[in-house]
Amino acid sequence: DIQMTQSPSSLSASVGDRVIITCQASQDVRNNNLNWYQQKPGKAPQLLISDAFDLEAGFPSRFSGSGSGTDFTLTISSLQPEDIATYYCQLYDSLPLFGPGTRLEIK
Amino acid sequence: EVQLVQSGAEVKKPGTTVKISCKVSGYRFTDYYIHWVQQAPGKGLEWMGVVDPEDGKTMYAEMFQGRVTMTADTSTDTAYMYLRSLRSEDTAAYFCTMGTGSYTFEHWGQGTLVAVSS
Repeated sequence: DIQMTQSPSSLSASVGDRVIITCQASQDVRNNNLNWYQQKPGKAPQLLISDAFDLEAGFPSRFSGSGSGTDFTLTISSLQPEDIATYYCQLYDSLPLFGPGTRLEIK
Repeated sequence: EVQLVQSGAEVKKPGTTVKISCKVSGYRFTDYYIHWVQQAPGKGLEWMGVVDPEDGKTMYAEMFQGRVTMTADTSTDTAYMYLRSLRSEDTAAYFCTMGTGSYTFEHWGQGTLVAVSS
């Protein structure tokens, strides 16, 4: 079975910092079938990036996704207070699988 | 506007069954699958399974197989998730979700909290 890891598991950064979250799969992710979700406390997750690169409408351009194969990255170019959330990667192949999440806090 | 509205919080005894509903609007119910996702307190997201509202076919994650049933009522545009033989570890928020692509979850319900306690 495919396994997914995210790093770091938690992160504290300052407003304006560049933040990078990585997601690694134990096998190649076909067709970049990798999504990112943002979940704020007490809320449902929201689709942030689909197919590894495509930013969803309503999210600012400081969010971007990259990667291929087994290694994917979510980047926030300039952290803002409203970005405080937990971020999950999710691959979809035969079945969907979520990564363990990265909790992002403001320093 | 696509909306998924779930039923309210539940408190259940161990060994009983919980039924959660997810009423959809803003699109044709039979066009897209409905998935269910579990999130235990302070934990990550766990995909539970999927129902196709068009024909009722289902697929369940191995860890819930045998205890979960997902259905869809096309007369009311409502999906249901039943979880049986509840135990304390089932205390969690349960989300229904859907998307226009396979396994990309664009729209989510607000979540239903289930507490299992004797």
